Amino acid sequence: AQSVTQPDIHITVSEGASLELRCNYSYGATPYLFWYVQSPGQGLQLLLKYFSGDTLVQGIKGFEAEFKRSQSSFNLRKPSVHWSDAAEYFCAVVPNTGFQKLVFGTGTRLLVSP
Amino acid sequence: DTEVTQTPKHLVMGMTNKKSLKCEQHMGHRAMYWYKQKAKKPPELMFVYSYEKLSINESVPSRFSPECPNSSLLNLHLHALQPEDSALYLCASSQGVRGGTDTQYFGPGTRLTVL
Repeated sequence: AQSVTQPDIHITVSEGASLELRCNYSYGATPYLFWYVQSPGQGLQLLLKYFSGDTLVQGIKGFEAEFKRSQSSFNLRKPSVHWSDAAEYFCAVVPNTGFQKLVFGTGTRLLVSP
Repeated sequence: DTEVTQTPKHLVMGMTNKKSLKCEQHMGHRAMYWYKQKAKKPPELMFVYSYEKLSINESVPSRFSPECPNSSLLNLHLHALQPEDSALYLCASSQGVRGGTDTQYFGPGTRLTVL
């Protein structure tokens, strides 16, 4: 079945430590890939996206993500986490079928400890 | 300007009320979306409008009625809602609906509580 999986429901990271959030997808053809962030009670903000080309994608707020075709993964990373990064992070895909329909993973809540 | 605005921010309504949610964008986008997000869940697509025409209705109950009066505005009319309809309602827009390279920009949402 086609799906987007974020295996970690919660992750706690110390401020200043590095971060990696996992995302795996299961689609016949590589979909278009996105990471969104949602602060409590807020809308979603696009962090970065991957369509093709260089597999390391730079985004806003110091985030980057790496596309690995062999692992069907698109993990989000940040070298040094700030307290303001505490939020819900959603990996999302648009299947490569020509229609713009975002399919979200279940989300990972990031907690940042002092 | 990549802003999508939504009003009101919060709405409390009874099950017999009629209310509307409003969404506006001035980015020249021709596709607009309504999503419903329950607590601790990802957003779920409800409706898609493309060039002011309804393109997708994800089997949403008829007590939710979308309307796209022009290319900048999207409304969601609510009538006879149930308490389980309480959620964050998100609006988004993108340049088009075909081609996955169009990025969707989201508004801040309307927090709806049905009593």
